[in-house]
Amino acid sequence: GDSVTQMEGPVTLSEEAFLTINCTYTATGYPSLFWYVQYPGEGLQLLLKATKADDKGSNKGFEATYRKETTSFHLEKGSVQVSDSAVYFCALSVADKIIFGKGTRLHILP
Amino acid sequence: DAGVTQSPTHLIKTRGQQVTLRCSPKSGHDTVSWYQQALGQGPQFIFQYYEEEERQRGNFPDRFSGHQFPNYSSELNVNALLLGDSALYLCASSPVPGQWTNTEAFFGQGTRLTVV
Repeated sequence: GDSVTQMEGPVTLSEEAFLTINCTYTATGYPSLFWYVQYPGEGLQLLLKATKADDKGSNKGFEATYRKETTSFHLEKGSVQVSDSAVYFCALSVADKIIFGKGTRLHILP
Repeated sequence: DAGVTQSPTHLIKTRGQQVTLRCSPKSGHDTVSWYQQALGQGPQFIFQYYEEEERQRGNFPDRFSGHQFPNYSSELNVNALLLGDSALYLCASSPVPGQWTNTEAFFGQGTRLTVV
């Protein structure tokens, strides 16, 4: 069945460090791919999305590229801030149902 | 423009009781989905409603049921609560299926249900 696998956390980085959170997926058909972010005590917010192969989604300095050949959608940011501390979920949408990974908790130290 | 709103924000119930959670979708959205997020896990799809009918369902028992009203708002009902039903319940809305394919969903803040 359709599934998403993302790197285990927590990930702890210093401010201004480079961030990569790996995500791979398994899906039949042609899913859209997303990164959602969840701040403490809040619901999910869409961070970025890509709807077809080779699309690059970007927002707030984060970016991810839809790689069909490697079935991956890794999240990157060149210089993280303390305010980026949150849980990040990789997800795919097929037939209007969203399937999430388990989430990666990110801690940024000042 | 109000986003997805859920009520209540927190709820404590006793094992065996029944609970109803409520959701109003984002303006212009006709499809409502419900997700269960256990502590430390990603959200799991429960079911989706469109045109007042359950359109698709995840791997959840019949104790979980729902309803969608003509104004597109929705309720999630859980009967015979178990301790394991304790979780954050998220409602998500999206535009009409068929108009968009594999679109993103917009999530509410969730209802934190604790079963004791």
